[in-house]
Amino acid sequence: GEDVEQSLFLSVREGDSSVINCTYTDSSSTYLYWYKQEPGAGLQLLTYIFSNMDMKQDQRLTVLLNKKDKHLSLRIADTQTGDSAIYFCAESRSGGYQKVTFGTGTKLQVIP
Amino acid sequence: DAEITQSPRHKITETGRQVTLACHQTWNHNNMFWYRQDLGHGLRLIHYSYGVQDTNKGEVSDGYSVSRSNTEDLPLTLESAASSQTSVYFCASSERETGELFFGEGSRLTVL
Repeated sequence: GEDVEQSLFLSVREGDSSVINCTYTDSSSTYLYWYKQEPGAGLQLLTYIFSNMDMKQDQRLTVLLNKKDKHLSLRIADTQTGDSAIYFCAESRSGGYQKVTFGTGTKLQVIP
Repeated sequence: DAEITQSPRHKITETGRQVTLACHQTWNHNNMFWYRQDLGHGLRLIHYSYGVQDTNKGEVSDGYSVSRSNTEDLPLTLESAASSQTSVYFCASSERETGELFFGEGSRLTVL
């Protein structure tokens, strides 16, 4: 079955770059997502990447995909205190036509 | 604006009682999902539905049931609450193309 793994915790200083890593097992994954959860709230989609891409950039966010190693990363440039949250990696075989499997989440702490 | 709402936001109940968590979305999405969030486990899928009268079991469905009588609602029922079902429950809906999930604010359930 599908499995998505992430480290549980990351601490960075304000202004530095953050890199959150994720590995997945399903070679049929087509859509790979990053969601953000702020305290006491539901998850919100940050960005997603198709499996036929190896990079996607959106303002301060850069997503890198290594399909051979089934490794996904999210880089946040110039990390701010407002970026403190839990970040979830997720995958789906075919977007909205299949269920989405989530990782355990990485709690990002930004130190002022 | 379209939204997805969950109720109640907080509930305390006793072991053995039946509990129903409501989920209502105005996105007009066909897909709806229930997840539970527990420390160290991330989000785990309980049940999901791809449309009216369609329901499917997720990875942790034991002790839970859902029904889908219309597009907007997917109530989650715990037939006989157990302490292991103490958790935060999230309802989500998704559009078909990318599978982006839109989450409710969550329902925190405590079973004593």
